[in-house]
Parts: sequence; structure tokens; C-alpha cells
Amino acid sequence: GAVVSQHPSWVICKSGTSVKIECRSLDFQATTMFWYRQFPKQSLMLMATSNEGSKATYEQGVEKDKFLINHASLTLSTLTVTSAHPEDSSFYICSAATWQRRNENEQFFGPGTRLTVL
Amino acid sequence: GNSVTQMEGPVTLSEEAFLTINCTYTATGYPSLFWYVQYPGEGLQLLLKATKADDKGSNKGFEATYRKETTSFHLEKGSVQVSDSAVYFCALSQGGSEKLVFGKGTKLTVNP
Repeated sequence: GAVVSQHPSWVICKSGTSVKIECRSLDFQATTMFWYRQFPKQSLMLMATSNEGSKATYEQGVEKDKFLINHASLTLSTLTVTSAHPEDSSFYICSAATWQRRNENEQFFGPGTRLTVL
Repeated sequence: GNSVTQMEGPVTLSEEAFLTINCTYTATGYPSLFWYVQYPGEGLQLLLKATKADDKGSNKGFEATYRKETTSFHLEKGSVQVSDSAVYFCALSQGGSEKLVFGKGTKLTVNP
């Protein structure tokens, strides 16, 4: 149980285009989803936290107009990188938490999406 | 702010060797501490955790003890297996927040 999937697993796009990444909780309801970005040989950096049905909360320094996050249902959150540029190339990872496990503070992670912007 | 520092990798060991991956943290108060593991092609999985000083988290033969006096949470395993090859992340959260702060990760390769 507690499986999180991401789609696509990798994507290559041209500069200036937009890319959407999906994050799904397959066997549980995710009241909160998190989006991370990971640069090579660096730690995961939290980009934003989203709760189902409400606006995402972005970390300092993350452009919310560039990284659009939608959490429309308890099993799906999407991250859209708008007008992507080469510096947006990175590994994007989502995680999900359920209110039933809040006291355990456990997040369930997706396998990540490798974005390459040419 | 809060931060986690873990030993740089990669670490390469032979099967049945002893493993230590160092992790130290900077935080105010009493954070919760975690070790996550990422196997090739998979997402991060919680390996073990400790929520207060002197707690020992353990799972699958791995152990880590929350040491407040040294602000450390070192990961240990007495006898590693090839199947333990993965990237290990130390992390903390604080104040009941769900936000996790991660170290850079340490890649472990175990050779038969």
C-alpha cells in the first residue's frame, strides 16, 4: 500500500513550451502533496505544499507563476512548468501524505520525473 | 535555518561489511529525524525514524540513534547485503510541520 506514481518518468521539451507532470496516490487519499526539486548531487528542495481543494503554498524563492500546482482531487496533483527554460531542467519528485498518518509525519514518494529543456 | 549534513558518497562496500553513514543536523528545539532510502528506479521510502532524544530507530537491520548532545543521527548496519545498494537520505522535520529538510544523499554500492 501507499504507492505514489508520477507521469511521465522523463520528458524532453523545447525552450518556451510548458510541461505538465502528474502525481497520483494509487491506493490512498492524499490530503497533502508536496513537490520537490533535486539538482545533481544535491538534496531535495521543497518547492511547494498543496492541500486538496486549496491553493498551494510555495517556498521562498519559488516562482508560483512559473510552477503551477493543482491539487484538484485527493489522488491527483499536477505540476506545470510554464515557459520552460534550460535552467528548469531538473529531477522533480512528488510526495503525498494522508491525514490518517499525520501523527507519524510520513510522506510517500513518487519515483520522480526527469525534465530536460533544450 | 534548519539543515542536514550527511557524509559525501559514494560508499562502496563488500557484502557483510559494516556500514556507517554519518548525519548531523542543525535545528532549534527538538526535530524529528528520518532516514529515507531510494532504490534504483523507485521513490524514496521511509527506512526509520526517531522523534526524541536517545530514541533508536531500526528497520531491516539498520539502526540510528537520536543524539541531541552531538546533533547526530548516524545510520548503521552490521552486515550489508547487495540488496542494500541504494541512495540514503537523512532528513528532519520540526514543530509538527510536515515539511522535510533533506541531506544531499549518500549512494551506497555493495559488491558481492
